[in-house]
Amino acid sequence: DAGVIQSPRHEVTEMGQEVTLRCKPISGHDYLFWYRQTMMRGLELLIYFNNNVPIDDSGMPEDRFSAKMPNASFSTLKIQPSEPRDSAVYFCASSQHLKETQYFGPGTRLLVL
Amino acid sequence: AQKITQTQPGMFVQEKEAVTLDCTYDTSDPSYGLFWYKQPSSGEMIFLIYQGSYDQQNATEGRYSLNFQKARKSANLVISASQLGDSAMYFCAMRGMIQGAQKLVFGQGTRLTINP
Repeated sequence: DAGVIQSPRHEVTEMGQEVTLRCKPISGHDYLFWYRQTMMRGLELLIYFNNNVPIDDSGMPEDRFSAKMPNASFSTLKIQPSEPRDSAVYFCASSQHLKETQYFGPGTRLLVL
Repeated sequence: AQKITQTQPGMFVQEKEAVTLDCTYDTSDPSYGLFWYKQPSSGEMIFLIYQGSYDQQNATEGRYSLNFQKARKSANLVISASQLGDSAMYFCAMRGMIQGAQKLVFGQGTRLTINP
């Protein structure tokens, strides 16, 4: 069975550019989560969706960040404009129910120069 | 608020020995779940084991077991017969099931190194 798929795996961009990260959750999972991992702050939940609807976006750092889930098999996390402090590993995870185990994708390593 | 504390930034263990990774937690939620994830150098987050707060027995998954002591609010991961491939970062996480935002909260992690 395919796990959570993320693309790209690595992204290097210049400050001010728009960055779009993509995620395909595990088929049949109703919940999708976006996390950010940095050395300083560890793993932080940015936003999560239930049945394609954003439920809690309180972890989104600022208006430069936005996330969408147009259908059950696809989600994007967009940063516009990007800044060097956005450099991190961004994970997407999905679960069948909110209280079930979350399965993570391989992550996107973002470097903003 | 929920909090996970992993007090061991790094651990070094000889191959084939058992290893215990510490995790303590704090929550006011009467029902919660505890998780352990492994993050090898390749970067992916791999789910290892789950323990529910009302589970009567400690969870086990192959060489992984969770030493759950509810009164002490600890959920230590035990890896038996360690292997070189066990070298990785290990994260403890919890989520309240009733109160709060039910977000998965992670500890800072423990870097485990298995020596041959």
